[in-house]
Amino acid sequence: DGGITQSPKYLFRKEGQNVTLSCEQNLNHDAMYWYRQDPGQGLRLIYYSQIVNDFQKGDIAEGYSVSREKKESFPLTVTSAQKNPTAFYLCASTRALGRNEQFFGPGTRLTVL
Amino acid sequence: QKEVEQNSGPLSVPEGAIASLNCTYSDRGSQSFFWYRQYSGKSPELIMSIYSNGDKEDGRFTAQLNKASQYVSLLIRDSQPSDSATYLCAVNVQGAQKLVFGQGTRLTINP
Repeated sequence: DGGITQSPKYLFRKEGQNVTLSCEQNLNHDAMYWYRQDPGQGLRLIYYSQIVNDFQKGDIAEGYSVSREKKESFPLTVTSAQKNPTAFYLCASTRALGRNEQFFGPGTRLTVL
Repeated sequence: QKEVEQNSGPLSVPEGAIASLNCTYSDRGSQSFFWYRQYSGKSPELIMSIYSNGDKEDGRFTAQLNKASQYVSLLIRDSQPSDSATYLCAVNVQGAQKLVFGQGTRLTINP
């Protein structure tokens, strides 16, 4: 059963703590993406990766870090430097380079207390 | 100027009528255009993609693209209450493997 999984679904953390959000896909997709969505807003790109061991900053990368050690996995770390981390975080992937249709995981809702 | 603009709504349409959603974009080099549906609290779901000028139909959905005027629209015929959701327009960035999303239009279908 192919798809994109994100865990956990809900995450609560204290202010000042780093937290890592998981994103895994078994679709053999090349490119992966992380977005942030705030209430009533569209999606803003945090980071993306087109191939293993390479990634690019999106529009709002400050306070976030990523790694792409395996094709299937693209974890996102929300660091204490991110000023307002409470949001809905979405991971997506694209079938192949040159194709732009993105498919999304179920999302992680992060609340920083 | 925002790169992808949508009317945030809410757009209210009676059941059975046609819902019309519009999106404009600023990058003349964009080649790929997408509509996503997002139910409250859920992740976006791809419902339509369009790459060339004209209309593309899929069931009750029709996407329309006009590159000269830089707009893309989505028509939903015979609207159902289950169509109530936020619809996101997305456009590729020329020369980069990424999309830009509009802020979404909230659609409500009234029984």
